[in-house]
Amino acid sequence: AQSVTQLDSQVPVFEEAPVELRCNYSSSVSVYLFWYVQYPNQGLQLLLKYLSGSTLVKGINGFEAEFNKSQTSFHLRKPSVHISDTAEYFCAVRTEGAQKLVFGQGTRLTINP
Amino acid sequence: DTGVSQDPRHKITKRGQNVTFRCDPISEHNRLYWYRQTLGQGPEFLTYFQNEAQLEKSRLLSDRFSAERPKGSFSTLEIQRTEQGDSAMYLCASSLGLRDRGYEQYFGPGTRLTVT
Repeated sequence: AQSVTQLDSQVPVFEEAPVELRCNYSSSVSVYLFWYVQYPNQGLQLLLKYLSGSTLVKGINGFEAEFNKSQTSFHLRKPSVHISDTAEYFCAVRTEGAQKLVFGQGTRLTINP
Repeated sequence: DTGVSQDPRHKITKRGQNVTFRCDPISEHNRLYWYRQTLGQGPEFLTYFQNEAQLEKSRLLSDRFSAERPKGSFSTLEIQRTEQGDSAMYLCASSLGLRDRGYEQYFGPGTRLTVT
């Protein structure tokens, strides 16, 4: 069965600093990878996804992620964060042939002024 | 595109009562999903519909839980004889079912259930 591990439960950074949120997955079959953001009391919004092709994918709000098959990782990065990026971030995987998403436990990103 | 909507947004109920939640997917989406999210955790899959057919159910979906999508449009999730452990955010998502978009799922705002 597939699983997703988000290595940091909380990441505090200063405004305008770069940030990386780490995600590792395990699966014996091909996967599709997603990052979602959840603002307080809201549902999940898709930031970006990797389906195939280029391993560097760009998403909304200046975020990007890199798929590394050998390290089974899909880390999320942003070169300069803003206060408005304060939220919970979830990495998710869907395996080929499956419909459900399997989520990590989330990383809370806190931006300090 | 009005997005996925869920009703109610919040529900407080006493242990042992039945509750029902509603989800309205994005209009042309034929796939609908229910997830449960407890505090400090990521969402966990509960069940999945393609049109009106319920094609997959998680082992998390005990006998007290039932979901329907009678006409392939909106869906309801009912919990009978609620327990305090049912307290969670219940999220609904829908998808157009396009393989080349990875069957990407669009989430609603969720229904937060508190069982007292």
